[in-house]
Parts: sequence; C-alpha cells; structure tokens
Amino acid sequence: KAGVTQTPRYLIKTRGQQVTLSCSPISGHRSVSWYQQTPGQGLQFLFEYFSETQRNKGNFPGRFSGRQFSNSRSEMNVSTLELGDSALYLCASSLDGRTPREQYFGPGTRLTVT
Amino acid sequence: AQTVTQSQPEMSVQEAETVTLSCTYDTSESDYYLFWYKQPPSRQMILVIRQEAYKQQNATENRFSVNFQKAAKSFSLKISDSQLGDAAMYFCASHHSNYQLIWGAGTKLIIKP
Repeated sequence: KAGVTQTPRYLIKTRGQQVTLSCSPISGHRSVSWYQQTPGQGLQFLFEYFSETQRNKGNFPGRFSGRQFSNSRSEMNVSTLELGDSALYLCASSLDGRTPREQYFGPGTRLTVT
Repeated sequence: AQTVTQSQPEMSVQEAETVTLSCTYDTSESDYYLFWYKQPPSRQMILVIRQEAYKQQNATENRFSVNFQKAAKSFSLKISDSQLGDAAMYFCASHHSNYQLIWGAGTKLIIKP
C-alpha cells in the first residue's frame, strides 16, 4: 500500500506570492489533516478535511485555506506569502479522523519564503 | 484548552540502556488518544506508539512502552535497549473530538555509542 505523498517536496517562493501544496492520502483514507512545523512555534494544526468537508480549522489567518477532492486528495493554499510562512508543512491521513487508530504522515513540503 | 507539555528539550542515553521521555497533557474530555511520534533528521513523522484513554493497560510495541497515568494526565515513553537508530526528535501528542492533534514541543533524543 502506498504511503501518504506530498508534492512538491521543496519550494522557494517570494513574499507576496501564493503557493499550493498537495497531499494524496493512503488509499481508503478519507480524513486529511495539515500541520505547520516551525522551529519557533513547533507543530500547529492548520485544518482537517473529511469527505470534502472542513471539520476543524486551527488558529491561522484567512490567507491559509484548503480543500479536499472527491478522491480524498487535499490541497492547501497560502496567499500573500510572508517570511514567517517558511516552514515544513505536513499532511496526515487516517480512515476517518475521529478515532485515529493510525494516523500516517507524509514526508512534508519544505516551503522557504524569501 | 487542550495542551501537551514535554519538559525535557533534550535527553541522552548510552546505547543498550533504557531511557524515559516525559509528557503531561491537559484535557477536559474523557475520550481521547495519546501518541508518541518519532521524527528523524529526514523529517518523516513516524508513529511509535498509541494509547486509547479508555484502556487502562499500558501500550507496548517491542522495545517501546508507555506509562499512562490517566488521573495524573501523564504519558511517558520508555525505550529499552536503546539503539543508534532511535536518535530523533520525539513528540508527544493528544487527539480529541475536534479532529486535531495537539503537540508537545518535542524531546531530542541522543544515543551515545
């Protein structure tokens, strides 16, 4: 069974640009969560999607948005990039997200904003 | 608010010895899950062990075991027979009904050969 895949793995953007990151969950998993990891703030929850519906959102500005498609693949978008958005963005998938017996993580996308 | 605290920024242990990483959490919910994740330099987050709050029995996975003290809201990880490959950042996390993982700040584990 293929694991969680994230594309791209590395990205360099300029302040003010926008970026879209993609996450493909493990086959059969319907819940996808996104996390931001930075040295200063640690790991922070961005949002969680299940069956194309956002069920919860973390405390991030509206510049951070996401969506999930009917095949459970998810994308997150960050508009008007700021230097502080430089981080490792991790996505995780699980069967339904409510009872996470197993939550599998992708390798992450390293975003650098210059 | 739900919080997870790891009070040890860094721990070191001699190869083949045993080490315990500490974690405390706070929640008002009765149904939740607790996890230990390992993040090696590759940055891939790997699930080490999980514990359902309703289970009194401590979870074990080979050399990894937890000491779950629900009343004290404590969830420590014990690694026996430490190996060089265990060197990594270890994160304690809790999962609640709002579908998100709450993370601790992490503990860097160093294995001395």
